Amino acid sequence: AQTVTQSQPEMSVQEAETVTLSCTYDTSESNYYLFWYKQPPSRQMILVIRQEAYKQQNATENRFSVNFQKAAKSFSLKISDSQLGDTAMYFCAFMKWNRGAGSYQLTFGKGTKLSVIP
Amino acid sequence: NAGVTQTPKFRILKIGQSMTLQCTQDMNHNYMYWYRQDPGMGLKLIYYSVGAGITDKGEVPNGYNVSRSTTEDFPLRLELAAPSQTSVYFCASSYSPSGETQYFGPGTRLLVL
Repeated sequence: AQTVTQSQPEMSVQEAETVTLSCTYDTSESNYYLFWYKQPPSRQMILVIRQEAYKQQNATENRFSVNFQKAAKSFSLKISDSQLGDTAMYFCAFMKWNRGAGSYQLTFGKGTKLSVIP
Repeated sequence: NAGVTQTPKFRILKIGQSMTLQCTQDMNHNYMYWYRQDPGMGLKLIYYSVGAGITDKGEVPNGYNVSRSTTEDFPLRLELAAPSQTSVYFCASSYSPSGETQYFGPGTRLLVL
């Protein structure tokens, strides 16, 4: 079974500062996808950033970037110039082809609660 | 586009009651999914569908049923509700399963007492 571990249950950051959320995963696959989702108090899951495992270049979306270390099975999210609207739960997720089910399956970590302090 | 919509937003059920959680997407996505999120946990897949008329079980399907008669709709049926089904339920859709982004609805909070 695939596991996704987020070792930081809660974090806080001052507004305008930079914060890094960690995520590690366990897999024997070589082809897979990694995601960071944001869940604000409204509970809606919002995609933040996505990384294909076959790409060496780290994905970037405006203030959000990842540090993807495939050999170490690490996928951290860096948020630059933190804003109050970044306050949310952040979930790391792993997707791979599940041969038994005959489909792709998305596995989520338990989440990191990020608070941005004014 | 409204994206993925879910109804109701919140519901309280008594043990043994049944209900249907509605999910509709207007993006013409073939793939649709139902997840549940228990407190302090990530999401777990209940059922998914690869197109109209085709559904399959996910990680935690017991106590639930689904149907997919149209591309747009993917209702989740709870029969004989139990306290263990107290959770937040998310519906999602994607154009394809191969690493495509899944678009999530706002969730339905269900409380079984």
